Amino acid sequence: GQQVMQIPQYQHVQEGEDFTTYCNSSTTLSNIQWYKQRPGGHPVFLIQLVKSGEVKKQKRLTFQFGEAKKNSSLHITATQTTDVGTYFCAGQGIRDDMRFGAGTRLTVKP
Amino acid sequence: NAGVTQTPKFRVLKTGQSMTLLCAQDMNHEYMYWYRQDQGMGLRLIHYSVGEGTTAKGEVPDGYNVSRLKKQNFLLGLESAAPSQTSVYFCAAQRGFKEKLFFGSGTQLSVL
Repeated sequence: GQQVMQIPQYQHVQEGEDFTTYCNSSTTLSNIQWYKQRPGGHPVFLIQLVKSGEVKKQKRLTFQFGEAKKNSSLHITATQTTDVGTYFCAGQGIRDDMRFGAGTRLTVKP
Repeated sequence: NAGVTQTPKFRVLKTGQSMTLLCAQDMNHEYMYWYRQDQGMGLRLIHYSVGEGTTAKGEVPDGYNVSRLKKQNFLLGLESAAPSQTSVYFCAAQRGFKEKLFFGSGTQLSVL
C-alpha cells in the first residue's frame, strides 16, 4: 500500500537558521498537503500542491512538489520561535485515502 | 459553526471494555477519517469514509470498527480495548478529493 516517509524526525535550530523537511512517497501522488501541529494541538492545514514541479511560497515558507509527484519539501527561512511544532506531509494517491508522514518536530532556540 | 467536534475529549478504559468515539461535522463534507497518534509519532490512518454509508480500512484497522450512517457523523468503535490502543485519536473531515482536511481537537484514550 501507499507509504509516505518523512525526514528528519527531529530538527533543533538556532533562531534565524533555516529548516527543511523532506517527504517521499512509495507511489505517485495526486496531491500533497502540509500540516503544522503545535504541542498539544491538532494538525492545521498549511498548503496543498497538485502540479508536477510546483513551488509555492507563504512568507518564509517554501513548498515544493517533485517532478515525478512522489516527493516534496518544506523549507523555512530564518526560523522564529513561533515556527515551533511538528510539520507533517500528507499524500493522496490513486486511492482516496490521505496518508501522513511521521512528521518532523522542529524546536527553535532563541 | 463548530467544524469538527470529537467526543469525549478524554477517556480511561480497562482492558476488555468497549467504547465508541463520536466525530461530528457541520460542514457537509463528504470524506471523513479516523487517525491515531501515538506519543511523539505521526498520524496513522485507521478507517475512512468517502460518503454516507461507506467505510474503508486504512493502515491500522485491526481492533476497530466504524460506521457512517449519517453524513455528519463518523463513529469509531473499540469492541475490546487493549493497552496497545492507548493513543490520541483524531477525526478529520474533507470536502472532497484534493481538498484540505479539518481536524477535531482529539480524544485522549488510555487503556489500563
